[in-house]
Amino acid sequence: DAKTTQPNSMESNEEEPVHLPCNHSTISGTDYIHWYRQLPSQGPEYVIHGLTSNVNNRMASLAIAEDRKSSTLILHRATLRDAAVYYCINAGGTSYGKLTFGQGTILTVHP
Amino acid sequence: EPEVTQTPSHQVTQMGQEVILRCVPISNHLYFYWYRQILGQKVEFLVSFYNNEISEKSEIFDDQFSVERPDGSNFTLKIRSTKLEDSAMYFCASSEQFFEQYFGPGTRLTVT
Repeated sequence: DAKTTQPNSMESNEEEPVHLPCNHSTISGTDYIHWYRQLPSQGPEYVIHGLTSNVNNRMASLAIAEDRKSSTLILHRATLRDAAVYYCINAGGTSYGKLTFGQGTILTVHP
Repeated sequence: EPEVTQTPSHQVTQMGQEVILRCVPISNHLYFYWYRQILGQKVEFLVSFYNNEISEKSEIFDDQFSVERPDGSNFTLKIRSTKLEDSAMYFCASSEQFFEQYFGPGTRLTVT
């Protein structure tokens, strides 16, 4: 699986948009870009995934660079409940669903 | 909303004992996984399971570990002879296809 690079931490204010960046310059053509998050004392939670095109769902939006070497997870209006560790993961091909978690980005949301 | 459940929430065992961690995946899911997270460390993949056999396993998943789907609803992780370093939070996950995995709340395993 390709290695991803994320900032260690980010801060946001409640009700403001948050843009969480991820670099994955060695991503392979068959790898999807996945985002999961882990709230304190909980298991990881699926957020969104995509291959080439930007994706939207009820939780977030995923903006993928044209060369696929980077992506941005967008939370449109942060809430206190969005405070979590956010993981950007490249996986696909023959990995049979194996997700390789890094250290992720710790998002702090201020009221 | 359907969810993955895990039992027990906390298991304390002595070194050398066998433990079985249980999971009930989401009912229409076909792919099952186990991950673990040692306190303060990254979430680590252990094994993926599909069609009643292991699809992929990590280096952590040695001969001391085994998985089973004993019936149509449960998915279990067995550790034959626990070591102190097996102390961790163990997460079960399931998915309809390879990705978009849904994780359970975890079982905290403490080996003394």
